[in-house]
Amino acid sequence: DAKTTQPPSMDCAEGRAANLPCNHSTISGNEYVYWYRQIHSQGPQYIIHGLKNNETNEMASLIITEDRKSSTLILPHATLRDTAVYYCIVRVAMGFQKLVFGTGTRLLVSP
Amino acid sequence: DAGVIQSPRHEVTEMGQEVTLRCKPISGHNSLFWYRQTMMRGLELLIYFNNNVPIDDSGMPEDRFSAKMPNASFSTLKIQPSEPRDSAVYFCASSLPPGFRDSENTEAFFGQGTRLTVV
Repeated sequence: DAKTTQPPSMDCAEGRAANLPCNHSTISGNEYVYWYRQIHSQGPQYIIHGLKNNETNEMASLIITEDRKSSTLILPHATLRDTAVYYCIVRVAMGFQKLVFGTGTRLLVSP
Repeated sequence: DAGVIQSPRHEVTEMGQEVTLRCKPISGHNSLFWYRQTMMRGLELLIYFNNNVPIDDSGMPEDRFSAKMPNASFSTLKIQPSEPRDSAVYFCASSLPPGFRDSENTEAFFGQGTRLTVV
């Protein structure tokens, strides 16, 4: 699976959009971008995934650049409960699905 | 469904003792993963199963660690003998079978973890 690079930490004001970047310059054509988050003391939670088109669900939006070498997870209106470590993972969606976590971005949402 | 269920939630044991962690995946999920999380090393994939068969155990740290999945609804991770450096939070996760269409969501669902302390 391709490696990813994320900033170690970010801050965001409550109610504002949180934009979390991820670089995955060695991504292959059949690899998807997945995002998970881990709130303190809990297991990781799936947020969203995509291949090349932008995706949106009830939790977040995922913007993938045209060359697919980077992506941005957007939390449109961050709340205090969004404080967590966010992991960007690149992997093949089909076949045996090894899920390897990097160090992630620690997002702190403040009042 | 109650989600992925792990037991116990907390375990404190003495060095040298055998420790068994248990996991019940979500019904219908045939992929199961065991992870270990520490401050120093983050989330490490130890082993994963597909259809009860271990596919990749390259993350298992050493022979003291073993994992089994005797059936689709139960898995164990055993440490024998345990050492203080094994202290960590151990997570189990499960997911649906790999899909044949891009649109199928095969996200992994994680349990609440077992916090192991070896003294």
